[in-house]
Amino acid sequence: RKEVEQDPGPFNVPEGATVAFNCTYSNSASQSFFWYRQDCRKEPKLLMSVYSSGNEDGRFTAQLNRASQYISLLIRDSKLSDSATYLCVVTDSWGKFQFGAGTQVVVTP
Amino acid sequence: GAVVSQHPSWVICKSGTSVKIECRSLDFQATTMFWYRQFPKQSLMLMATSNEGSKATYEQGVEKDKFLINHASLTLSTLTVTSAHPEDSSFYICSARRDSTGNEQFFGPGTRLTVL
Repeated sequence: RKEVEQDPGPFNVPEGATVAFNCTYSNSASQSFFWYRQDCRKEPKLLMSVYSSGNEDGRFTAQLNRASQYISLLIRDSKLSDSATYLCVVTDSWGKFQFGAGTQVVVTP
Repeated sequence: GAVVSQHPSWVICKSGTSVKIECRSLDFQATTMFWYRQFPKQSLMLMATSNEGSKATYEQGVEKDKFLINHASLTLSTLTVTSAHPEDSSFYICSARRDSTGNEQFFGPGTRLTVL
């Protein structure tokens, strides 16, 4: 079983719509959680950290459910520029990053 | 701040040659840097953790004699792929953890290696 699992998608989303997807992790001792965004053939860029109480950054909302061991990302009012692969990252107690394989989002006009 | 550079951004080489990739933190000190590899449509896989002034820690299955890591200063780590073969063709990405802050890693732009 993979340590971090994501639905690969693609999620095809009309412009202006809302899309949400989850990421599950297997290590209950995981410390920190992040969402990164990766464009084709580019490096990952931090989208947002995920806090226990949930957090919002503009059109993006992240939630953490420790009991069920998943995190989620919701994108409201999708823009064409939101098309990318969204990587879930979970760290262990040593700070080592475990990446999911990514969820592809395609926003269509 | 928190900019990480990598050089070269892409390289094509013949089988059997060695390739060196540099990773620099441009505006912060990084005692710890990380080297990842990403194959198409797969997740980033951690290869090794590079520690300034000491030996790198390699992940299981990664040959330390094939992937040589040197972290000689607080702003520079190098990865040398020795005797590269076509199966080593991949996207190599480094990241650096800023000494003054927590777990966040800042990623370099990556190096695309193609071995013919």
